[in-house]
Amino acid sequence: DGGITQSPKYLFRKEGQNVTLSCEQNLNHDAMYWYRQDPGQGLRLIYYSQIVNDFQKGDIAEGYSVSREKKESFPLTVTSAQKNPTAFYLCASSQGASRNQPQHFGDGTRLSIL
Amino acid sequence: SQQGEEDPQALSIQEGENATMNCSYKTSINNLQWYRQNSGRGLVHLILIRSNEREKHSGRLRVTLDTSKKSSSLLITASRAADTASYFCATGSGGSGGSNYKLTFGKGTLLTVNP
Repeated sequence: DGGITQSPKYLFRKEGQNVTLSCEQNLNHDAMYWYRQDPGQGLRLIYYSQIVNDFQKGDIAEGYSVSREKKESFPLTVTSAQKNPTAFYLCASSQGASRNQPQHFGDGTRLSIL
Repeated sequence: SQQGEEDPQALSIQEGENATMNCSYKTSINNLQWYRQNSGRGLVHLILIRSNEREKHSGRLRVTLDTSKKSSSLLITASRAADTASYFCATGSGGSGGSNYKLTFGKGTLLTVNP
């Protein structure tokens, strides 16, 4: 079945540590996205990528980094510079370069501070 | 910035009743989408309505869009306990090349359907 896989489901970060969240899709989608969701809030865009080897900052990119070396993969690193990383992180993909496409989401990674 | 604002924030109804959720937005859009999120899970796309459409149906879902009022509504008819979830509207606006690379989500409506 086609879909988006995020791992791990739960992740704990120590002070000063960088952690990487994995996102893999087998939908052959060009565009991929990372969102952050805080309790009772909507989604805020961290980074997005329209094509391999290209990505753009979203609304809250500070303290995060991404790479897009393969079409299928879009990992997110939460760096030590992100002082409030506790949140639910969601990865999504869509068929890029065309209007009016829905986004398909993974089941998220919940990140907490130790 | 969060453009879509859902109303109400929470809605509790009995099974079999209809549920209506509203969404308002501020700037021009290419399309408006509704998503559903079960607790602790990712979002699932429900329906997309383009800016030149006024109404769209999908099973028990009915979405309306009024671009003059910058608002949309999602109606779920004959609700079931399994419809209990958070519902988000998201506005799509085109980036360079006309692609809706960015969706802006509201804070959602928490719908509880009591059996």
